[in-house]
Amino acid sequence: NAGVTQTPKFQVLKTGQSMTLQCAQDMNHEYMSWYRQDPGMGLRLIHYSVGAGITDQGEVPNGYNVSRSTTEDFPLRLLSAAPSQTSVYFCASSWGETANYGYTFGSGTRLTVV
Amino acid sequence: DQQVKQNSPSLSVQEGRISILNCDYTNSMFDYFLWYKKYPAEGPTFLISISSIKDKNEDGRFTVFLNKSAKHLSLHIVPSQPGDSAVYFCAASPLTGGGNKLTFGTGTQLKVEL
Repeated sequence: NAGVTQTPKFQVLKTGQSMTLQCAQDMNHEYMSWYRQDPGMGLRLIHYSVGAGITDQGEVPNGYNVSRSTTEDFPLRLLSAAPSQTSVYFCASSWGETANYGYTFGSGTRLTVV
Repeated sequence: DQQVKQNSPSLSVQEGRISILNCDYTNSMFDYFLWYKKYPAEGPTFLISISSIKDKNEDGRFTVFLNKSAKHLSLHIVPSQPGDSAVYFCAASPLTGGGNKLTFGTGTQLKVEL
């Protein structure tokens, strides 16, 4: 049982490049989310999904796109990377609303935009 | 506007003593509160939670106290162990309808010394 798997673990991008951060879970969780962690800022919600085909914006969605075509996968796309997107990105999943079930987090992707 | 605040960035405690981590919130819509623990280069892991209808919840060495009138919660770890050294995040959510919208604090680095 792998839990929540994020790839890659590290990535360096040049400003303006695009890339996709992958997230997959094998727990049949309906709820999935993407957070970013910056020094002194805690974790901030980027986008979330409450099921396949359903996504919505979180607190800091600008510059990111998501889609949820399957229950298992929830990729995060950076369309045109900017230095402000340098951060550690965490994907998380849950059976239901996190107030009741909590999150299972992946181990993170450390992204540097130069 | 930081809706969940952890005002102590760090805390140092001797092994065997009590660790008390504090968290304040401003949004009266929050009904459910969670604590996560994070080791370096890993994702956060769920530790313990409490709903607003309770003022205390225990799980082994970990106890969370909630003072709803003061909008304050605390995590007590007794006795503290070296393996407890990590960053602890407080998070909050509406009980229902919150989807994945956990709001996190900025974290407290706990160091348990021998």
